[in-house]
Amino acid sequence: AQRVTQPEKLLSVFKGAPVELKCNYSYSGSPELFWYVQYSRQRLQLLLRHISRESIKGFTADLNKGETSFHLKKPFAQEEDSAMYYCALLLHGGSEKLVFGKGTKLTVNP
Amino acid sequence: KAGVTQTPRYLIKTRGQQVTLSCSPISGHRSVSWYQQTPGQGLQFLFEYFSETQRNKGNFPGRFSGRQFSNSRSEMNVSTLELGDSALYLCASSVTGQGAEKLFFGSGTQLSVL
Repeated sequence: AQRVTQPEKLLSVFKGAPVELKCNYSYSGSPELFWYVQYSRQRLQLLLRHISRESIKGFTADLNKGETSFHLKKPFAQEEDSAMYYCALLLHGGSEKLVFGKGTKLTVNP
Repeated sequence: KAGVTQTPRYLIKTRGQQVTLSCSPISGHRSVSWYQQTPGQGLQFLFEYFSETQRNKGNFPGRFSGRQFSNSRSEMNVSTLELGDSALYLCASSVTGQGAEKLFFGSGTQLSVL
């Protein structure tokens, strides 16, 4: 079954500390993964996608097919990074649809 | 460019009633997807429309339905409301809905079923 697991519902770090939000997936096809973010009182928005191999707002994520993981990392967390983060897996076939993890709420303390 | 617009922002209904939610995608976007967001289940895919055709459907009962108009605006309907249908309903649009395309989300409609 296709599934995205974010094991941590809540994650709290101090400003300047490294942060890693975990995401594991289960999918028999070729995975395409995303991180979406929702800041307080804002819309859900795309943070980054693995195919772009980009770094957005200092965040990076590497697809590890062996470990079926797509963890989101940032070396130095900022208070403005506090938000809800969702990992998502694109399912192919007909039309694509996104399967989301249940999200991790990141709090960066001053 | 205007973002994805969802109306209404809030709805309160009672069990057994039906409800219609509306979504206007970004101009030029032809794919509209709907998601249900709850604290317990997170974001769950409802269905996706492209050029007035439903292309994909999630695992929701037949009480949940939708449609898309020729101007790409979409509506979803929930009939015979149940308490468990209380949720934030999000609409997202993209140009084609294909591949690793970026989805643009609306602010959602918060539905409360009493």
